[in-house]
Amino acid sequence: DQQVKQNSPSLSVQEGRISILNCDYTNSMFDYFLWYKKYPAEGPTFLISISSIKDKNEDGRFTVFLNKSAKHLSLHIVPSQPGDSAVYFCAASAWSYKYIFGTGTRLKVLA
Amino acid sequence: KAGVTQTPRYLIKTRGQQVTLSCSPISGHRSVSWYQQTPGQGLQFLFEYFSETQRNKGNFPGRFSGRQFSNSRSEMNVSTLELGDSALYLCASRRTGSLQETQYFGPGTRLLVL
Repeated sequence: DQQVKQNSPSLSVQEGRISILNCDYTNSMFDYFLWYKKYPAEGPTFLISISSIKDKNEDGRFTVFLNKSAKHLSLHIVPSQPGDSAVYFCAASAWSYKYIFGTGTRLKVLA
Repeated sequence: KAGVTQTPRYLIKTRGQQVTLSCSPISGHRSVSWYQQTPGQGLQFLFEYFSETQRNKGNFPGRFSGRQFSNSRSEMNVSTLELGDSALYLCASRRTGSLQETQYFGPGTRLLVL
């Protein structure tokens, strides 16, 4: 039972354009969400998070949007850069001690 | 500050063997979590240790076990290896038990079971 889903396994975007990565979840008890970025041969690195009391959080070129009624999370990267090419994982938690991760979306930013 | 380190980085085993993976958290971090990453499955939570106690456990069989030492270093053991255990095993540490604190991942141990 995949409680956190990233339905797009891959995404290609031109440099300078917006990248939109999507994540859906099924558990309405989730109240904290994160995005991680993973390069090959490295562990995931934290990118940005959002609490369920907010619907938007920004950090530089990265913005996360949360739509609780739709149980949908998205990560916007503007403008996209070639160095953003990586696998992006969303994760959610519900005040337990674990995160549930999605299966990841591979982003390729074309120069 | 040194990051999370995992040893070994690569490992080849055969079915039926057992394996022990090691994780050294960032200095001062007391929480260590373990994840299994396989293609198409994302990161799946194995367990978390905090101050030498297992605090939470994922949906993995009892062949997967772990422990944490007084210096916060953690080991993960898989007994009676199966082909499906081939994966990247990641550990992550954070200073306290709060989920809203950033979790830092190590580079992982890639295990291949033949």
